[in-house]
Amino acid sequence: GENVEQHPSTLSVQEGDSAVIKCTYSDSASNYFPWYKQELGKGPQLIIDIRSNVGEKKDQRIAVTLNKTAKHFSLHITETQPEDSAVYFCAAKAQGGSEKLVFGKGTKLTVNP
Amino acid sequence: GAVVSQHPSRVICKSGTSVKIECRSLDFQATTMFWYRQFPKKSLMLMATSNEGSKATYEQGVEKDKFLINHASLTLSTLTVTSAHPEDSSFYICSAAPSGSSYNEQFFGPGTRLTVL
Repeated sequence: GENVEQHPSTLSVQEGDSAVIKCTYSDSASNYFPWYKQELGKGPQLIIDIRSNVGEKKDQRIAVTLNKTAKHFSLHITETQPEDSAVYFCAAKAQGGSEKLVFGKGTKLTVNP
Repeated sequence: GAVVSQHPSRVICKSGTSVKIECRSLDFQATTMFWYRQFPKKSLMLMATSNEGSKATYEQGVEKDKFLINHASLTLSTLTVTSAHPEDSSFYICSAAPSGSSYNEQFFGPGTRLTVL
């Protein structure tokens, strides 16, 4: 089955700096890769996703890149703000069959003012 | 759009009682919903996949008789924790996948904090 590894587990940056979180996956059949932001005591919020037919997707300060050959994908947050502080989860889903997502273990991002 | 609600947000119950948690997709229909459990500072653990009009598919190690799932409509799935014990205390989160979408998104509810005394 699919296995998703996420690094780093914690990340601390200064406000205005960039933050990068990386994930690798094991199943080459995976074709959908969402990123979720979870604030304390709340449910995860989908912030961006990418499908295997593209290599990069951008939405304002957030971007995701995908390298299918290496089976890894990354979340990039530019011009970080204190409100970006949260736990971020990557996930992967294989084409066909079950609809379930396989999640990474999460990255706690702290943006220091 | 794509709003998922959960009710209640918090519940405290006595050991041995049953608790029902509702998950609703407010502005879309969801043939498939998912139930997760999350321990403090941990990732989401999928408990079961709920399909409208059919039996839920449980993940390995999840007791189907303890965690009863019903998905009676395209906008509502319920999770009932039966004969709850303190070890069932956790954060339970549902997600919903829009029906007929060519995409694969899952939208999550805000979660339910269950405390069993």
